[in-house]
Amino acid sequence: GAVVSQHPSWVICKSGTSVKIECRSLDFQATTMFWYRQFPKQSLMLMATSNEGSKATYEQGVEKDKFLINHASLTLSTLTVTSAHPEDSSFYICSARHNEQFFGPGTRLTVL
Amino acid sequence: AQKVTQAQTEISVVEKEDVTLDCVYETRDTTYYLFWYKQPPSGELVFLIRRNSFDEQNEISGRYSWNFQKSTSSFNFTITASQVVDSAVYFCALASGTYKYIFGTGTRLKVLA
Repeated sequence: GAVVSQHPSWVICKSGTSVKIECRSLDFQATTMFWYRQFPKQSLMLMATSNEGSKATYEQGVEKDKFLINHASLTLSTLTVTSAHPEDSSFYICSARHNEQFFGPGTRLTVL
Repeated sequence: AQKVTQAQTEISVVEKEDVTLDCVYETRDTTYYLFWYKQPPSGELVFLIRRNSFDEQNEISGRYSWNFQKSTSSFNFTITASQVVDSAVYFCALASGTYKYIFGTGTRLKVLA
């Protein structure tokens, strides 16, 4: 149990386009989901906390207008990287909270 | 402020050697949780263990063992008789009431055949 999926697993896009990443809890409901970003050979850094039915809470230094988060249901949160640029290329990992956090497999974003 | 320090950036060992990965944490909370995760090259985080602040009992799971010492704010991880498949990046993490995870910078373990 406690499986979290992400889609897509990898994406390549052109600079200036927007990319949507989905995070789903497959066998449990999650009122809270988290989005992390991991640059190569670095640690996971929390970007935002996503709460079902309310606005996301962003960590200091994360642009909320650039990284749009929607938590429309108890099993789905989406992260949209708007007007992506090469510096947004990273590994994005979501987690869903069900007593503890269960992590998705990650999405590798490459912006050309 | 909460903080997790993994001072070892990279460790290389020869297969069958024992290796200990260090984790030191800082928190003012009395109730908190500590975690270890393995991240293989695929990127997916593999959960290894969770410990709460009230349980200082050491744990052993196969070749893995963990030493939790509140007196030194450490939660070290030992792999006995390491194998090539143990090669990965290992993260220690801390969580408390906000349920936010604070990750250390990770230790890259290379096990050489």
